[in-house]
Amino acid sequence: GENVEQHPSTLSVQEGDSAVIKCTYSDSASNYFPWYKQELGKRPQLIIDIRSNVGEKKDQRIAVTLNKTAKHFSLHITETQPEDSAVYFCALERYSTLTFGKGTMLLVSP
Amino acid sequence: EAQVTQNPRYLITVTGKKLTVTCSQNMNHEYMSWYRQDPGLGLRQIYYSMNVEVTDKGDVPEGYKVSRKEKRNFPLILESPSPNQTSLYFCASTLGGEGTDTQYFGPGTRLTVL
Repeated sequence: GENVEQHPSTLSVQEGDSAVIKCTYSDSASNYFPWYKQELGKRPQLIIDIRSNVGEKKDQRIAVTLNKTAKHFSLHITETQPEDSAVYFCALERYSTLTFGKGTMLLVSP
Repeated sequence: EAQVTQNPRYLITVTGKKLTVTCSQNMNHEYMSWYRQDPGLGLRQIYYSMNVEVTDKGDVPEGYKVSRKEKRNFPLILESPSPNQTSLYFCASTLGGEGTDTQYFGPGTRLTVL
């Protein structure tokens, strides 16, 4: 199936810093790129998504950028807070099913 | 309330004892999927279904079966569970089609096979 590489696997930041997580993929047919946040013991929750006809989307402190030519997309979190600590997954969609990256554990220290 | 439900939430069983994990959605979604989540491996798709009586293999289908006799239900069947199927399982559904891709996840089922 489609391969999605996600980096880094862990990311530690101080509260107030920015965090960036990047994913690369190989299949140019993908058109939908969601990001999920998973807190310990809970289900993945969609936090932001982007479609291939736009290059950037922002929602308060969270933004996603997409470079279809280079086949990568990134999650940007600004002014991080301790409650942002979680595992974040990128994914891409084909035929209404998702292929996920392996996840990034984000730790935000007060 | 729109939701995806799974049962049981926790299950400890023994090798070889057949089990079924149920999944149900009340949103009239066309597409449903099963994923397993293992540390360091993310979520990997086991099977998916595009409609009633239409199912297809995902990335890790070995040892699993599914059925889609009704639109709302998509059970996951382990005919002869083995310890390497110990994992956290998520069911998900989506309406499908352009602009309706959002996947809704169930709460998860933690399975331990001894």
